[in-house]
Amino acid sequence: NAGVTQTPKFQVLKTGQSMTLQCAQDMNHNSMYWYRQDPGMGLRLIYYSASEGTTDKGEVPNGYNVSRLNKREFSLRLESAAPSQTSVYFCASSAQGVREETQYFGPGTRLLVL
Amino acid sequence: GESVGLHLPTLSVQEGDNSIINCAYSNSASDYFIWYKQESGKGPQFIIDIRSNMDKRQGQRVTVLLNKTVKHLSLQIAATQPGDSAVYFCAENIDASGGSYIPTFGRGTSLIVHP
Repeated sequence: NAGVTQTPKFQVLKTGQSMTLQCAQDMNHNSMYWYRQDPGMGLRLIYYSASEGTTDKGEVPNGYNVSRLNKREFSLRLESAAPSQTSVYFCASSAQGVREETQYFGPGTRLLVL
Repeated sequence: GESVGLHLPTLSVQEGDNSIINCAYSNSASDYFIWYKQESGKGPQFIIDIRSNMDKRQGQRVTVLLNKTVKHLSLQIAATQPGDSAVYFCAENIDASGGSYIPTFGRGTSLIVHP
């Protein structure tokens, strides 16, 4: 069991470039999440997918889009990267997205936008 | 309490001491809380959880205390070791749309353990 995997590990973009961050989980979880983490701040939710076929905005969705490709995979797309999107991005999953449940996190993608 | 700005609250302890990390939550309706540990360069990892019908729960070397009256959580780590050095987050699972729940994370506290 690899758990939650993310690619790439690191990425440098120029302002205006686009890219897609990939996330996959092999735990048969229904719910998946994308967070960003900035220095001195906690994790902020960008988008989540409660189940295959659904996606919803989180706290900071502007500038991002997501796709729940299938039950395993949940991708995050930056259409036109901005320096303010420099951050560490974490993908997470949970079994049902219910109250008494923890999340499992991937190792993160470190993104620098110049 | 938490500080403003870019710097995380920091707790420095000596190896072998007990550590207490505090967290205040805002939603009085929250009834499930989780502590996560995040080591440098890694994603957060589950440590321990507690339901609101409890005021204390113990794990291996860790204890979580919940005070619903003042909306306060604490994480106690016994006999702190250098490997405990990390950032610790509390999270509360809140209602989201469609009957699902999403966690809201605090800013975190950096624990530094000196050998």
